[in-house]
Amino acid sequence: SQKIEQNSEALNIQEGKTATLTCNYTNYSPAYLQWYRQDPGRGPVFLLLIRENEKEKRKERLKVTFDTTLKQSLFHITASQPADSATYLCALDMNTGFQKLVFGTGTRLLVSP
Amino acid sequence: DGGITQSPKYLFRKEGQNVTLSCEQNLNHDAMYWYRQDPGQGLRLIYYSQIVNDFQKGDIAEGYSVSREKKESFPLTVTSAQKNPTAFYLCASHQWAGDQPQHFGDGTRLSIL
Repeated sequence: SQKIEQNSEALNIQEGKTATLTCNYTNYSPAYLQWYRQDPGRGPVFLLLIRENEKEKRKERLKVTFDTTLKQSLFHITASQPADSATYLCALDMNTGFQKLVFGTGTRLLVSP
Repeated sequence: DGGITQSPKYLFRKEGQNVTLSCEQNLNHDAMYWYRQDPGQGLRLIYYSQIVNDFQKGDIAEGYSVSREKKESFPLTVTSAQKNPTAFYLCASHQWAGDQPQHFGDGTRLSIL
């Protein structure tokens, strides 16, 4: 069956360090993958999208990689700040002809001052 | 500002009662979605609509109903047939153009009295 795995344990890092979050999937061939940020009691907010033919995408302090052979995406936040503390969700497109996204459970990131 | 508005933010349901969650968007998006979020689980798709007067069941449609009479509006009714309705409900919209991101509202938290 289809499965997306994100580390369910919270990731604790110090301010200024690079946070790396992992999204692994099985039994998919997604056309693209998206990363969202979700704060408590709020809806997810889109951050980055990476297509299957792209290896890496950057936006300011954010970087996403996509390895379709390993079936893995890595999400990096460089020079992390306490304001980056949130839950980060990865979502894969099911390649069905309309945008059906399958979401991971999310990883909570805590950045300490 | 364009966006998605969900109301109410908190909702309580009595046994045997149907309740309706509102979702309105002013982004002029064609597609709209309803998700359910439970602790420790990824977002799960309840219903989606690609155009006005058309909608499709998602992965967990049992006990729910929707309508799409206007492009801006996609209300979700949680019926008494849904035996475990306590969850965080999220509405999203998407411009019908391939890999565009989904835009989310800030959710409705439904609880049982």
